[in-house]
Amino acid sequence: NAGVTQTPKFQVLKTGQSMTLQCAQDMNHNSMYWYRQDPGMGLRLIYYSASEGTTDKGEVPNGYNVSRLNKREFSLRLESAAPSQTSVYFCASSKTGKSEAFFGQGTRLTVV
Amino acid sequence: KQEVTQIPAALSVPEGENLVLNCSFTDSAIYNLQWFRQDPGKGLTSLLLIQSSQREQTSGRLNASLDKSSGRSTLYIAASQPGDSATYLCAVPDAVSGGYNKLIFGAGTRLAVHP
Repeated sequence: NAGVTQTPKFQVLKTGQSMTLQCAQDMNHNSMYWYRQDPGMGLRLIYYSASEGTTDKGEVPNGYNVSRLNKREFSLRLESAAPSQTSVYFCASSKTGKSEAFFGQGTRLTVV
Repeated sequence: KQEVTQIPAALSVPEGENLVLNCSFTDSAIYNLQWFRQDPGKGLTSLLLIQSSQREQTSGRLNASLDKSSGRSTLYIAASQPGDSATYLCAVPDAVSGGYNKLIFGAGTRLAVHP
């Protein structure tokens, strides 16, 4: 049971470069989420997708875009990376409604 | 706006102790509350999910309780072991925004269990 899989696990970018973080889940969940975790700030929601074909902004969406490619996959794109986007990024998924959320292992991103 | 607070921020105990981690939230209109464990450099592992209609949930040596009216949840760990050392996070859905699973997290309790 793979659960939620994120790639890559580690990445170093130069300021201004772009990249896409990939996330896939094999639990047939409808909802998917992207969070970032920063020391002293905890986990904060970037974007979420309540179901295939829909996306919406979370608490800290600036500088990011997302694509819900299909029911399994939800990607997060940084168009022009900034040092402030240095963080650990987590993808999560859940069934729609009052259900348990499952998280991936994270992507550690450093922007220099 | 919902806010989640966890006390204590850090805890160090000898092996074998029973311990309680606390989580409080400001808006009692929650659908559920979830407890997670995070090991250093790793992702979040779901431990327990308590629905708003439940008072407690148990999994092995873990027991989580929920008191919506007072805005509190506790995670009880029985007979602690060094392998329990991790950061424990609680989270509630942002019900005000209508998103069942847009989770709002506490800052976590960092637990160290020493032999």
